[in-house]
Amino acid sequence: DAGVTQSPTHLIKTRGQQVTLRCSPKSGHDTVSWYQQALGQGPQFIFQYYEEEERQRGNFPDRFSGHQFPNYSSELNVNALWLGDSALYLCASSFGDTYGYTFGSGTRLTVV
Amino acid sequence: GQQLNQSPQSMFIQEGEDVSMNCTSSSIFNTWLWYKQDPGEGPVLLIALYKAGELTSNGRLTAQFGITRKDSFLNISASIPSDVGIYFCAGPYINAGNMLTFGGGTRLMVKP
Repeated sequence: DAGVTQSPTHLIKTRGQQVTLRCSPKSGHDTVSWYQQALGQGPQFIFQYYEEEERQRGNFPDRFSGHQFPNYSSELNVNALWLGDSALYLCASSFGDTYGYTFGSGTRLTVV
Repeated sequence: GQQLNQSPQSMFIQEGEDVSMNCTSSSIFNTWLWYKQDPGEGPVLLIALYKAGELTSNGRLTAQFGITRKDSFLNISASIPSDVGIYFCAGPYINAGNMLTFGGGTRLMVKP
């Protein structure tokens, strides 16, 4: 049974560009959350999607947006990339309102 | 602002030793979670605590939910080399919905 799958695993972008990261949740999970983890820090909550709607959002600017598809997979989009957006982006899936998150291995984004 | 403080930031111990780390919050929590992150991977849930005073074990790991609801402790007994990694505490602040706040992590290194 596959866990959470994220793609791509690594990505290099230039300042000002846009990026799309993808996540397939664990089988049976319907909720997807996205976290940003800067080097040497703990993950920070970006937002959570449930029933194709953004249910909750952390303290991130509107440059960060997302989408959830009918099959529960999700995308994270970041526009107008800054150097400070360089981080590991983690996707976590869960079922309903539980805290039993399963995290993917992340996408390492480097902005140059 | 609200934050989780983990200590120590790093530990370098001998194989077979016991380890203790803790996490404190500026506000009360109803749930405490402990995760471990290996290099290049996402965090993996080790233990979840739901009640003040609760003591829960998972193999050689034991975690406690502090009576004040503002702290939690994780102990690892008889450490082995595969315990190496970064340990994070996390939890949802009250009225924060499903948003998890993570601590800064404790990096554990084990000398064989």
